[in-house]
Amino acid sequence: AQTVTQSQPEMSVQEAETVTLSCTYDTSESDYYLFWYKQPPSRQMILVIRQEAYKQQNATENRFSVNFQKAAKSFSLKISDSQLGDAAMYFCAYRSAPSGSRLTFGEGTQLTVNP
Amino acid sequence: DGGITQSPKYLFRKEGQNVTLSCEQNLNHDAMYWYRQDPGQGLRLIYYSQIVNDFQKGDIAEGYSVSREKKESFPLTVTSAQKNPTAFYLCASSPQGAGSNQPQHFGDGTRLSIL
Repeated sequence: AQTVTQSQPEMSVQEAETVTLSCTYDTSESDYYLFWYKQPPSRQMILVIRQEAYKQQNATENRFSVNFQKAAKSFSLKISDSQLGDAAMYFCAYRSAPSGSRLTFGEGTQLTVNP
Repeated sequence: DGGITQSPKYLFRKEGQNVTLSCEQNLNHDAMYWYRQDPGQGLRLIYYSQIVNDFQKGDIAEGYSVSREKKESFPLTVTSAQKNPTAFYLCASSPQGAGSNQPQHFGDGTRLSIL
């Protein structure tokens, strides 16, 4: 079974600075997808960014980018120019490509943005 | 607007009582999911369904039951056998099953508490 580990329960960053959230996963599969979701205080789950394992190029979405290291099974999220609205719980998630649609989530990282 | 509607937003259960959480989607998605979220933990999969009239147990299915009689609806029943039901419950859906890189879309959640 796949597992996802987020080793930073809490992180903080100053407004306008850059922060990196860590995620590692364990799998024996070669084809899969990785996601970062954001959960603000409203508790709504919002997709931040996704990465296909077969793509070597790291995904980017505006101020959000990932550092995908397939051999190391690492999938970190970098937030540039942090804004107060980025404060939330961030979850890393894994999805197998061949064997179904279910997601496996990490424990989450609570990000605080200081003004 | 298309989306996922969960109701009620807050629900209270008495000892020995079964309660049903509603989840409806108008996104025409094939797959639907139920997750449980406890404080300080990530989302854990309870049940999921990839097609009407079929569903599979997730990681923590004991004490829960589901049905999938319509594509749009995936209600979750928390039975009296679930001894610790207090949690935040999230419903999600996605367009396809295996092989899809499409993310899951989430409802706004239901908070269930024991009286």
